Amino acid sequence: DIQMTQSPSSLSASVGDRVTITCQASQDISNYLNWYQQKPGKAPKLLIYDASNLESGVPSRFSGSGSGTDFTFTISSLQPEDIATYFCQQYDNLPITFGQGTRLEIK
Amino acid sequence: EVQLVESGGGLVQPGGSLRLSCVVSGFTFSSYSMDWVRQAPGKGLEWVSYISSSSSTIYYADSVKGRFTISRDNAKNSLYLQMNSLRDEDTAVYYCARDYGTVVGVFDPWGQGTLVTVSS
Repeated sequence: DIQMTQSPSSLSASVGDRVTITCQASQDISNYLNWYQQKPGKAPKLLIYDASNLESGVPSRFSGSGSGTDFTFTISSLQPEDIATYFCQQYDNLPITFGQGTRLEIK
Repeated sequence: EVQLVESGGGLVQPGGSLRLSCVVSGFTFSSYSMDWVRQAPGKGLEWVSYISSSSSTIYYADSVKGRFTISRDNAKNSLYLQMNSLRDEDTAVYYCARDYGTVVGVFDPWGQGTLVTVSS
């Protein structure tokens, strides 16, 4: 199975800050990488697909980059409504696997 | 509006069975593959199973293979997960999700989830 390692596991930042989360795959997954946002008590929501494509309706402050084994998710200017847990997910190989999540809090 | 609504969760004893349902609306169900993904309390996400639009292709995670069966009824806009021989470690919120991409694994959107608790 492909292991997805996210860092950090938790993060505290101020409104307006630039926030970056990284995700590393245990093997080359090309660009088969998605990012999801999960707010407390809610289902995950797709934000970024194919490593860098913004899902329709998602604010442009969210972005993704990377290919191969190393990927980055960025919020350019943190907003209060961005408080959530963020997961990366690979779909290059079955089984589909997720990172352990990054819990984002407001400082 | 696209909606996915799961039901069928509850408390079941180890070794028991449960059948989850997911009813969808707002899109042409028969044109999309579907998945089940679960999340143990306070834990991360685990993909469980995939079914293609025509049911011709089905995949399972090793952790549920031989115990869970995914199926669908396109006439009823419904997805199912039959869960047998349930174990404590199957306790989780189970989400159904539309598989949006051309390959397996772009989940958008997700249902609200249904909680399955396996305990004696």
